[in-house]
Amino acid sequence: ETGVTQTPRHLVMGMTNKKSLKCEQHLGHNAMYWYKQSAKKPLELMFVYSLEERVENNSVPSRFSPECPNSSHLFLHLHTLQPEDSALYLCASSQEQGANSPLHFGNGTRLTVT
Amino acid sequence: RKEVEQDPGPFNVPEGATVAFNCTYSNSASQSFFWYRQDCRKEPKLLMSVYSSGNEDGRFTAQLNRASQYISLLIRDSKLSDSATYLCVVNSPDYKLSFGAGTTVTVRA
Repeated sequence: ETGVTQTPRHLVMGMTNKKSLKCEQHLGHNAMYWYKQSAKKPLELMFVYSLEERVENNSVPSRFSPECPNSSHLFLHLHTLQPEDSALYLCASSQEQGANSPLHFGNGTRLTVT
Repeated sequence: RKEVEQDPGPFNVPEGATVAFNCTYSNSASQSFFWYRQDCRKEPKLLMSVYSSGNEDGRFTAQLNRASQYISLLIRDSKLSDSATYLCVVNSPDYKLSFGAGTTVTVRA
């Protein structure tokens, strides 16, 4: 059983839709992350939250909007996406934001933009 | 130059064989290193951290070579269940974790 839960597992949306990805961690961690994984490419860090404050925004387009209402929940709001945004979106958490804190990943949302 | 580079493979090996592969990193100031395992269509999971002196966890051995800026993973007595993509993860001094694109290992019966 994973300590990090993501919903939905799969999402198909049109370019004009608005949808949200949800992530919840049950590990008592202080840092949460959104990553994008495209085929054959390394994971790309999108956003980092530490103690509910955004500490990293890796030049992500504004059509992706994160929200962290508390230390256990993280959302990624999506609107007017492009087909190239189709990918696996992974949420992760770690005890602290730091290199020595291993990441615990959720099972991901596989997004298809049509 | 990419921050973290891995041979994508695939490495196709028979059960019981030993397989090893490396990961190179560009930032000489990197301090922490990890191997993650990712099964097909699943999330990455931490396999092991890599310590300066090298470390072993069962059939898995990780080594760090700072002079040449690479880490390695060796799997002994391969099992079918070892088939996966192995991701190399390296920190940067500003605490950002950089991922390699992964090395795919397929163990055949």
